[in-house]
Amino acid sequence: QVQLQESGPGLVKPSETLSLTCAVSAYSISSGYYWGWIRQPPGKGLEWIGCVYHTGGTYYNPSLRSRVTISVDASKNQFSLKLSSVTAADTAMYYCATIQLWFRSVDYWGQGTLVTVSS
Amino acid sequence: QSALTQPASVSGSPGQSITISCTGTSSDVGGYNYVSWYQQHPGKAPKLMIYDVSKRPSGVSNRFSGSKSDNTASLTISGLQAEDEADYYCSSYTSSSTLIFGGGTKLTVL
Repeated sequence: QVQLQESGPGLVKPSETLSLTCAVSAYSISSGYYWGWIRQPPGKGLEWIGCVYHTGGTYYNPSLRSRVTISVDASKNQFSLKLSSVTAADTAMYYCATIQLWFRSVDYWGQGTLVTVSS
Repeated sequence: QSALTQPASVSGSPGQSITISCTGTSSDVGGYNYVSWYQQHPGKAPKLMIYDVSKRPSGVSNRFSGSKSDNTASLTISGLQAEDEADYYCSSYTSSSTLIFGGGTKLTVL
């Protein structure tokens, strides 16, 4: 089954750009799925950030669209998230995940990585 | 986009059945049969329990079932067990080609 592992800085300063990578194993990123990011602030619910298809097409949460870029690197079998101009409100557990066509389900999740925005 | 509406908490005794509702609009829950449900234990990543309103992934207990009526989807857990105590989230595809989650429901097994 698909295995996902997030990596990136656990601490980001306000106004800077949050950058995370998700390494995919046991599955080729070019074989299908949308590859997405979902976050969860401490003690709160899940928020879909967006996703990318293996061909490069992207879909974003309208509330974050102006600050988000999700991209795929098929040669490294990984995909990435960049969130610019971060504030304390962006502090959250960030999960990478596989998303089915029509966003029918989020099938596989990474273990998550906690990103704190603080100076 | 506003989150789908779920009750903040539900509870039940072992062996009983409980139902968690998830209310949206005709632009999401009511417009598509693309509702899914997730179980999340503390400190863990969510786990897919139901997709396409009522389908169970391989390995998920048949005690979990899903349904939908108009703009409201429901997750029913029968024969409650202590291990079912967790947070549950619904999600739906939307007419804007986005994914939206519910606010989450904390299930307590008494």
